[in-house]
Amino acid sequence: GESVGLHLPTLSVQEGDNSIINCAYSNSASDYFIWYKQESGKGPQFIIDIRSNMDKRQGQRVTVLLNKTVKHLSLQIAATQPGDSAVYFCAETGNTGNQFYFGTGTSLTVIP
Amino acid sequence: DAMVIQNPRYQVTQFGKPVTLSCSQTLNHNVMYWYQQKSSQAPKLLFHYYDKDFNNEADTPDNFQSRRPNTSFCFLDIRSPGLGDTAMYLCATSRDKSYEQYFGPGTRLTVT
Repeated sequence: GESVGLHLPTLSVQEGDNSIINCAYSNSASDYFIWYKQESGKGPQFIIDIRSNMDKRQGQRVTVLLNKTVKHLSLQIAATQPGDSAVYFCAETGNTGNQFYFGTGTSLTVIP
Repeated sequence: DAMVIQNPRYQVTQFGKPVTLSCSQTLNHNVMYWYQQKSSQAPKLLFHYYDKDFNNEADTPDNFQSRRPNTSFCFLDIRSPGLGDTAMYLCATSRDKSYEQYFGPGTRLTVT
């Protein structure tokens, strides 16, 4: 499979602060990227996606940035809330667009 | 309304005893995926179907097989489970290549 890695395995933030989760990917042919949130005992939940022809995309309280030059992806969560505590994964599509390869994950803990 | 349904949610099987996990979808999506997720690890893609075309990942053990009898259903067969196959098994669907994936809640398999 592809190699998609994260820089930090754990992240703790104060409630109300902004969170930044980073991801490095290896396949320059990947054209689509997704950030997922996974709570304990549940399947991954889609947060936001971005295609390779974009470098930034915003959702509600979340922003994804894509830097194709250095093959880097980040997820920014604004005004982090206790309900944001979970493991966050990035995923890339690989060569064909059908496979989705996941990064190692970052565990986010929000401190009230 | 559940869109990707997995049954059973929990399964215990004995070492070497074949087991089948089920996934169904109400989304009419072309692509269906099976992932294995071990504790504190990222989901690992086992294989996927693009319509009726089966695509196996190179490092998926031969012990793992899959069937997709129609658009809605996909099965994961583990022919001779080993202790190392204890994991969460996640099913996901996607409308087409490079589109958002929808995950089911997973089946937690324990091999004793």
